[in-house]
Amino acid sequence: SQKIEQNSEALNIQEGKTATLTCNYTNYSPAYLQWYRQDPGRGPVFLLLIRENEKEKRKERLKVTFDTTLKQSLFHITASQPADSATYLCALGDSTLTFGKGTMLLVSP
Amino acid sequence: GAVVSQHPSRVICKSGTSVKIECRSLDFQATTMFWYRQFPKQSLMLMATSNEGSKATYEQGVEKDKFLINHASLTLSTLTVTSAHPEDSSFYICSARDIVRAGAGDTEAFFGQGTRLTVV
Repeated sequence: SQKIEQNSEALNIQEGKTATLTCNYTNYSPAYLQWYRQDPGRGPVFLLLIRENEKEKRKERLKVTFDTTLKQSLFHITASQPADSATYLCALGDSTLTFGKGTMLLVSP
Repeated sequence: GAVVSQHPSRVICKSGTSVKIECRSLDFQATTMFWYRQFPKQSLMLMATSNEGSKATYEQGVEKDKFLINHASLTLSTLTVTSAHPEDSSFYICSARDIVRAGAGDTEAFFGQGTRLTVV
């Protein structure tokens, strides 16, 4: 069956460092992979979409890589700030999205 | 970006009553809206896909008679939890796609702010 795995343990880093979150998937051949941010008690907010023919995509302090051979995406936040603390979800699919459980990122001052 | 408004944000109801949750796309048209349910520290689980003017498509294990979905216009979908019980307490989230942008290849989903349902 299709599965999306994200590190369930919270990632604690210090302000200014680069946070790297991982998304692994099995039994998928996605045309797109997406990353969302979710704050407690709120709906997810779209961050980045990367297509299967793109290896890397950047947006401001965010960078996403997509390795279809490894079936893995890495999500990087450079120069992290306490305001980046949230849960980050990866999602696969086209019209219908399937989400991973998300990884909570905690950035301490 | 596009805005999806979900209402109410919180609701507490008595066991056995019904609750209606509204999801509106404010500045775009959405032929398709999606309803998710999320338990604490769990992933968003798709409950159903709501298509404007037609019956919703429910995921396996979701009771269509319990979770009534209506998508009467391109900007409004509603989810009614009928005869709610404490086990229905959860965080319900809707999302929508902009049909114009989807045609251009963009497929990100825009989410409502979610509804925290507590059944007592």
